Amino acid sequence: DQQVKQNSPSLSVQEGRISILNCDYTNSMFDYFLWYKKYPAEGPTFLISISSIKDKNEDGRFTVFLNKSAKHLSLHIVPSQPGDSAVYFCAAPRGDSNYQLIWGAGTKLIIKP
Amino acid sequence: DVKVTQSSRYLVKRTGEKVFLECVQDMDHENMFWYRQDPGLGLRLIYFSYDVKMKEKGDIPEGYSVSREKKERFSLILESASTNQTSMYLCASSSPDRFDYGYTFGSGTRLTVV
Repeated sequence: DQQVKQNSPSLSVQEGRISILNCDYTNSMFDYFLWYKKYPAEGPTFLISISSIKDKNEDGRFTVFLNKSAKHLSLHIVPSQPGDSAVYFCAAPRGDSNYQLIWGAGTKLIIKP
Repeated sequence: DVKVTQSSRYLVKRTGEKVFLECVQDMDHENMFWYRQDPGLGLRLIYFSYDVKMKEKGDIPEGYSVSREKKERFSLILESASTNQTSMYLCASSSPDRFDYGYTFGSGTRLTVV
């Protein structure tokens, strides 16, 4: 049972506009969420995270919003740049382990010039 | 610059061969992981290790084994490679002391089994 879901396999956005990537989760016990970015032929790299005690975390052009009642989080990228084209994964620590992550399937973001 | 290094970027192996994928980290991390990435399936955990000589099965361990004889090295072994093991393999490490559970990944090994 996949507990972290990214329902959009891909997303295409015009350069300069806002990109919004979505992630849903099923386990209300999750208390921390992470976003990773992955380029082809490279490993994922950590992008931004959020604790469940917050509803927003911002780092430059990247903002993550958490809606606990809806079990939903989203990553906003403003403005979108060509270098943002990548696969984005959301992840959450597994409840029965303090170092295992559960991963979403990923969303491929394509920024059009 | 901290690193997780995977020994090969691309490998082509024949069905039935025994395949070794090597991963080395220089961050003195306790935890190490092997994932495979397939389109539409995200990252699936094969095995992980939280200490030298310790290993735990992940979600898809069948057809794989691992070895961790030294803290910095975690090896993934395909005992008898099959075509359904064609995939991108990613190694990662982490420290349990990090609050953000951050993983550092290697660049991946693209394995093709023919």
